[in-house]
Amino acid sequence: GAGVSQSPRYKVAKRGQDVALRCDPISGHVSLFWYQQALGQGPEFLTYFQNEAQLDKSGLPSDRFFAERPEGSVSTLKIQRTQQEDSAVYLCASSLGRNQPQHFGDGTRLSIL
Amino acid sequence: RKEVEQDPGPFNVPEGATVAFNCTYSNSASQSFFWYRQDCRKEPKLLMSVYSSGNEDGRFTAQLNRASQYISLLIRDSKLSDSATYLCVVNRNQGGKLIFGQGTELSVKP
Repeated sequence: GAGVSQSPRYKVAKRGQDVALRCDPISGHVSLFWYQQALGQGPEFLTYFQNEAQLDKSGLPSDRFFAERPEGSVSTLKIQRTQQEDSAVYLCASSLGRNQPQHFGDGTRLSIL
Repeated sequence: RKEVEQDPGPFNVPEGATVAFNCTYSNSASQSFFWYRQDCRKEPKLLMSVYSSGNEDGRFTAQLNRASQYISLLIRDSKLSDSATYLCVVNRNQGGKLIFGQGTELSVKP
């Protein structure tokens, strides 16, 4: 069956540009998580949705980061006025429930020049 | 100090060796514990959950010591295909967010 799908796989942007990263979770998974993984580090939590409700956004590093999941399925992570420190792999994960095993997508590798 | 600490390695071992990874966590409210495996440029994948009684899955054995806030993973008879980064992960069961360690890199050589 289809797993978590993320697009684009790679994204290069110039500093100051806005970017949008898409996550298509496994069908029927109500919980959706975004993580940021810097080179040589483990993933770090950004935000969590249960259906369309964003229940935890404590990990978003600044107000330049915004995430939405308007219909409780596909989610978009938007980064405004990108900075070089935003360069990382952005991972999306989904699960049947908030404390169920999380299934990760391949990630979007973002490079800010 | 990070909430989940691991030795980043790398651990370079010959095929057939036994290798052990350790991890400590600082938040005593942590409820669930896992080891994930991440291959280069790939997504993390759940290797196994870790239970207080200890649990085994083939060549892999995981242990949890809640009193010491310490988690371990033992790999016996290591294979070339075991080469990867092993991530120690805790969940405080507050919304489900996972807290990852830095990861320990394992390289198994022929």
